[in-house]
Amino acid sequence: DQQVKQNSPSLSVQEGRISILNCDYTNSMFDYFLWYKKYPAEGPTFLISISSIKDKNEDGRFTVFLNKSAKHLSLHIVPSQPGDSAVYFCAAREYGNKLVFGAGTILRVKS
Amino acid sequence: DAGVTQSPTHLIKTRGQQVTLRCSPKSGHDTVSWYQQALGQGPQFIFQYYEEEERQRGNFPDRFSGHQFPNYSSELNVNALLLGDSALYLCASSFNRGQGNTIYFGEGSWLTVV
Repeated sequence: DQQVKQNSPSLSVQEGRISILNCDYTNSMFDYFLWYKKYPAEGPTFLISISSIKDKNEDGRFTVFLNKSAKHLSLHIVPSQPGDSAVYFCAAREYGNKLVFGAGTILRVKS
Repeated sequence: DAGVTQSPTHLIKTRGQQVTLRCSPKSGHDTVSWYQQALGQGPQFIFQYYEEEERQRGNFPDRFSGHQFPNYSSELNVNALLLGDSALYLCASSFNRGQGNTIYFGEGSWLTVV
């Protein structure tokens, strides 16, 4: 049973435009949601997170939105840059800092 | 301030052999979690160590075991290796009483079983 789902395996965006990556979850007990960026042959790099009691968190070009009623969150990257091309993972935190990950979305930003 | 460090970076083992992977958490962190990432998938939680004890465990067989040392570093051991154990093994470090955004990953150990 997949508790965290990223339904888009890939996304292609033009440089300068907005990238929107989506994530759905099923477990209402998750208390934090995190986004990680991963390049091939590297470990995941933390990008941004949001508490389950918030509906928006912003950090520079990155904004995460949380819709608890829909059990849906999204990561917005504005403006998108070629260096943003990577795999993006959505993760949800359970008790004790255990993370449940989605399968990832490959973002390609074209210049 | 060193981040999460893992060793070795790459290794190749034969089916049936045993492997040990190592992780040093970020300074100030006391909790270490291990994840397995197969190609094309997200990381899957193996287990977590805190205060030198296994606190949580994911859906992995007993062939996967671990240890945490007094300095908070950790080892992941896999016995009787199968071809399907080939994956990237990631170590995550956190502070037990930290907020949910303080979970950092190492670069991973690439294990190939032949």
